[in-house]
Parts: sequence; C-alpha cells; structure tokens
Amino acid sequence: DVQLVESGGGLVQPGGSLRLSCAASGFIFSDHYLDWVRQAPGKGLEWVGRSKNRRNGYTIEYAASVKGRFTVSRDDSKNSLHLQMNSLKTEDTAMYYCVRWDSGACRNWGQGTQVTVSS
Amino acid sequence: DIVMTQSPDSLAVSLGERATINCKSSQSVSYSSNNQNYLAWYQQKPGQPPKLLFYWASTRESGVPDRFSGSGSGTDFTLSISSLQAEDVAVYYCQQYHSPPYTFGQGTKLEIK
Repeated sequence: DVQLVESGGGLVQPGGSLRLSCAASGFIFSDHYLDWVRQAPGKGLEWVGRSKNRRNGYTIEYAASVKGRFTVSRDDSKNSLHLQMNSLKTEDTAMYYCVRWDSGACRNWGQGTQVTVSS
Repeated sequence: DIVMTQSPDSLAVSLGERATINCKSSQSVSYSSNNQNYLAWYQQKPGQPPKLLFYWASTRESGVPDRFSGSGSGTDFTLSISSLQAEDVAVYYCQQYHSPPYTFGQGTKLEIK
C-alpha cells in the first residue's frame, strides 16, 4: 500500500523557517511526481509546489504565493520529499499535505502536518 | 493562472435525491492533441485528507461508488451523485492539472436536507 507520512510541522514566528519532510513507501518513488498541497484552517485546498520525476529532470514548480520563499526537494535514495519554508508569514498557517501524483491526479495523500505561524 | 469556480458554494439535498456540483475553468483545460480534459474531483470529509473521485474529468477512481459520475469538457464540468447517501456529506473540490499552478476550486459543501 502507498504510504505518505509528513513530519516537521509546528509553531514558528513570522519570518522564521521550517523544514517539512514526507516519508514515502509502497511505490517506486523515483517514477512519480510529488506535490505539496496546503489547507488553511477552515479554508480550501491550495497547490504549493511539485517535484517532477527523474524522467522529467526533477523539474520543480511553485505557486506564486510561495516562490522565492519555499524550496521543494527530494531524495530518491531515501524515498523522501522535503519542503524548506523560509520567511514564513501568518498566511502560511495551514495543514501541509504530501501528495503522490499518478495517472492524471493527486492519487494518494498523507495525513498532513500542521504549520502555525504566529508571534 | 487558470481560475476554477465551483457552484454552488453549499448544497443541501435530501437522502436518495440527486446532487449536482458544477466547476467552471477560466480557460479550457483540455488538450486537442489527446482529447483529454485535465480535471479531477476530490471528496474531503472532516478531519481527513482529500480523496480522489475522478480524473480526466470522468474516469472514476477504483472503489468510488457508481452513484458518483463526472462529466464535462473544455471549461464546464459537473460532479453528480445520483442518490445521496449519508456518507456522501463532505466538501467536494475540482482541480485542473492542465498547467501550473494546478489550481483548485473553492469547494462545495454538501449536506443533508
């Protein structure tokens, strides 16, 4: 079974940094695109960023709201995906989901890790 | 950016009745080269991550009951539930994956009347 387990969330002050991780299992990690999607409390879903697979050169894409502040990376040798978040703002407060992209959709989602940006 | 707009924002339907949710994109999310619509639907229940229902606009994910159907092309899409069950109470989202950023609709909250 596909499993995605996020970690690294917590409380951080505005302007601070946090690094999220996603441990994956149950599929060939290097074959797949992986996304970060977030959801602010009581709000809808927002796509944050994507790491394409090895076949597509590990190309990274970002939402405009995080570009220049967040960095998506992956380590295929450890089946892990990361999200380095710098210059955090209160509006970055959200549940962050790690998502496996497969055959045209966000097919598998982790349970999420909560990030709270507050002074 | 492609803007996805769902309607209505919320919907109350009686058990056993039909529920219909619409999703409109600000530009076409289909490619003529492969005649595919780059549109997915998700269901999210409280305290849970979203669950994939449909991809390519109308391809049902394995395990999704056949009372759910997805349709549409170009810029206009519909998710329908033919006979609402209590377990269908959730928020439903559409998402385009035609081009980045891969935007979601704002969500439609479905409740029992």
